[in-house]
Amino acid sequence: GAGVSQTPSNKVTEKGKYVELRCDPISGHTALYWYRQSLGQGPEFLIYFQGTGAADDSGLPNDRFFAVRPEGSVSTLKIQRTERGDSAVYLCASSLRETGRNEQFFGPGTRLTVL
Amino acid sequence: DQQVKQNSPSLSVQEGRISILNCDYTNSMFDYFLWYKKYPAEGPTFLISISSIKDKNEDGRFTVFLNKSAKHLSLHIVPSQPGDSAVYFCAASVSDYKLSFGAGTTVTVRA
Repeated sequence: GAGVSQTPSNKVTEKGKYVELRCDPISGHTALYWYRQSLGQGPEFLIYFQGTGAADDSGLPNDRFFAVRPEGSVSTLKIQRTERGDSAVYLCASSLRETGRNEQFFGPGTRLTVL
Repeated sequence: DQQVKQNSPSLSVQEGRISILNCDYTNSMFDYFLWYKKYPAEGPTFLISISSIKDKNEDGRFTVFLNKSAKHLSLHIVPSQPGDSAVYFCAASVSDYKLSFGAGTTVTVRA
């Protein structure tokens, strides 16, 4: 079956602009996660959705970052007033349940470059 | 604060030999550990996991060992194959959804 898909695969924007990153999880997966991977580092947790609600957004770096999942499937990560430090690969993952014991399936990521 | 550390950024091994990847953690509350493998331009792919109630888990050529007293785990790949060349991430969680990842180890398998 289809895996997790993310669009766009690459996004180049200018400092101060607004961007939206999209994630399509595996069908039937109720849990959805966003991570950010900076160069030379491992993925860092941003936010977790169980269904439509954000169960934990403690990893979002500041209030310029926001994510939604209105129908419990597709999710959009929104970044306002982008800064050069936001440049990273943004990874989305989904799983059947919320516990870490369930394998999280990752998408290929969106590479965001802020000039 | 990095709670999961992979101190070797790279590893080169000859085809057919054993690859040993190491991972250390600081949070004693971690109770589930995973290894992910990542190829360029792809997302991480789950490889193998281990619960804190075990000290070893084996799946084909891959074996993960956990030493809780030392807060250390390792991944053994035997025998190493060219297709194993990738970045390997160690990850851990505290009975929940939030995975904490190490910085990764790039493995190169030489023919």
